[in-house]
Amino acid sequence: GQNIDQPTEMTATEGAIVQINCTYQTSGFNGLFWYQQHAGEAPTFLSYNVLDGLEEKGRFSSFLSRSKGYSYLLLKELQMKDSASYLCAVRDPWNTDKLIFGTGTRLQVFP
Amino acid sequence: DTAVSQTPKYLVTQMGNDKSIKCEQNLGHDTMYWYKQDSKKFLKIMFSYNNKELIINETVPNRFSPKSPDKAHLNLHINSLELGDSAVYFCASSQASSGGSEQYFGPGTRLTVT
Repeated sequence: GQNIDQPTEMTATEGAIVQINCTYQTSGFNGLFWYQQHAGEAPTFLSYNVLDGLEEKGRFSSFLSRSKGYSYLLLKELQMKDSASYLCAVRDPWNTDKLIFGTGTRLQVFP
Repeated sequence: DTAVSQTPKYLVTQMGNDKSIKCEQNLGHDTMYWYKQDSKKFLKIMFSYNNKELIINETVPNRFSPKSPDKAHLNLHINSLELGDSAVYFCASSQASSGGSEQYFGPGTRLTVT
């Protein structure tokens, strides 16, 4: 089976840096996604990792270690608008149409 | 221009009723999906269609029936609604089902069954 773990909630201060971790146990690996979801809205794509290492995109970066089954999303220079849920998802290696989502991490940014 | 649209945005209905949710994408994507997000915000795939062909059919009660009249549309019909069907239903689409092809989500339909 496939299992994805993320912390349920995190808090941080405006201007700070926060790291949201995701660990996965899957029978194979075919890519990992991070999505952002504001309350009452649709998930929106943030990043994709398939090889080990860091992918940087402005204030957001995502890291992957396939040997450890581990990824993190790094958010720098936090803004109030970054308060949202962050969803880690892995592509099912046996059915590439299927994304398996974690339960998401709800991030609250305080002034 | 809306990329993935769903109607209705809110749906309140009584147990036992039948209802439909419609989804359309104007991105020219080949693959469309239905997801259910429960009260704990867990997002789980229900169905996936590729060029009108059913690709994924997760363990979903057969009261749920997807229909894809063409590759730009994927509708979801639910028969005999139950309290546990209350959730937000998201439609999504993607260009391909491999690599970094991201999924674009619609705004969601909040279904409340009373």
